[in-house]
Amino acid sequence: DSGVTQTPKHLITATGQRVTLRCSPRSGDLSVYWYQQSLDQGLQFLIQYYNGEERAKGNILERFSAQQFPDLHSELNLSSLELGDSALYFCASSARQGRELFFGEGSRLTVL
Amino acid sequence: DQQVKQNSPSLSVQEGRISILNCDYTNSMFDYFLWYKKYPAEGPTFLISISSIKDKNEDGRFTVFLNKSAKHLSLHIVPSQPGDSAVYFCAGHPMDSNYQLIWGAGTKLIIKP
Repeated sequence: DSGVTQTPKHLITATGQRVTLRCSPRSGDLSVYWYQQSLDQGLQFLIQYYNGEERAKGNILERFSAQQFPDLHSELNLSSLELGDSALYFCASSARQGRELFFGEGSRLTVL
Repeated sequence: DQQVKQNSPSLSVQEGRISILNCDYTNSMFDYFLWYKKYPAEGPTFLISISSIKDKNEDGRFTVFLNKSAKHLSLHIVPSQPGDSAVYFCAGHPMDSNYQLIWGAGTKLIIKP
């Protein structure tokens, strides 16, 4: 158990819809990262927050947005969903920025 | 442009033998590297790391070697066990970034009984 909690574990929705994925980092970790993994491909970095502020952006689509709340949990919002958005979305947290990341079990999104 | 490459999508090794997973990087501006292991439908878990000032780091059955002149690192698993069957990701931390790792595409390791 990494200490990072993601909900929901599975989500099935239709094209055009909007979903929110939630992440609770390990206790005390200030950094939260979101990654996307599509069909056994590598991990694509989406976005990182540190103590409530956006710190780095990767290959995140404009239809996607994220935030980190004062209690340090984070949400990833995916809107106008397309079939290609079907993927595993991982959240990770770290005590020191960029250092060892602890990953949650992921949220599997299926867009039909 | 900093990149981390794992050129072997998969590797099959007999149980009890040595598994060697390879990773190349494109320039010298990384200050440390990490290896992660991932089972299907689970998040990656940290295995072992190495600072760019070292050439070897060992932790139990896992040893990472760093060859700076060749811009190459490798993860050795000895002896390989069935539970080692997983996808292994190599990641590098750029010196000029506090924030994010650069990931390889992963190598699927299959341990044959």
